[in-house]
Amino acid sequence: AQSVAQPEDQVNVAEGNPLTVKCTYSVSGNPYLFWYVQYPNRGLQFLLKYITGDNLVKGSYGFEAEFNKSQTSFHLKKPSALVSDSALYFCAVRDMDTGGFKTIFGAGTRLFVKA
Amino acid sequence: GAVVSQHPSRVICKSGTSVKIECRSLDFQATTMFWYRQFPKQSLMLMATSNEGSKATYEQGVEKDKFLINHASLTLSTLTVTSAHPEDSSFYICSARDLGTSFSYEQYFGPGTRLTVT
Repeated sequence: AQSVAQPEDQVNVAEGNPLTVKCTYSVSGNPYLFWYVQYPNRGLQFLLKYITGDNLVKGSYGFEAEFNKSQTSFHLKKPSALVSDSALYFCAVRDMDTGGFKTIFGAGTRLFVKA
Repeated sequence: GAVVSQHPSRVICKSGTSVKIECRSLDFQATTMFWYRQFPKQSLMLMATSNEGSKATYEQGVEKDKFLINHASLTLSTLTVTSAHPEDSSFYICSARDLGTSFSYEQYFGPGTRLTVT
């Protein structure tokens, strides 16, 4: 079965410092991986995705993610955090067991960036 | 970019009444829309997959007679919570995929509807 795990419920970082939000995955076949961000009382916004190609994927708002096949990880990163980055972040994988039609979301990681 | 709207953004209803939530893709056609439910501080739980012109596919444990889904056009899907009870109070989010895309498709999410049943 396809799954994603976000081991941290919460990540705290000071503004200007680099941030990492962790995600590991378990899939059969090639992984289709995504990161989304959710602000309070809002729907999810797409940040970036990995389908194939370069392991380092660049996305919106200065975020990037590194696909690591040997470690089955897809950690989200940003070199310099902003207070406005504080939000809920979801890692997701396409559910290939059901034909790649549905998306499975991780539990989410809440990011707090302190000024 | 692709925009998905939901209406209403917030609704309060009395127990036993029904509530309809609309999900629209504003600038693209969506053969498929997804309805999620999100409890506080939790992830999204897929409730059902809505396909234009056909019956929705419900996830295990979701009552299809309670959560009625209609996908009448390529830009509109509705979720009706029938005979709502306080335990149905939640944040409901819809999303849509663009017509004709492959496994790499992005999902475009609506802003969500906060339902409170009193």
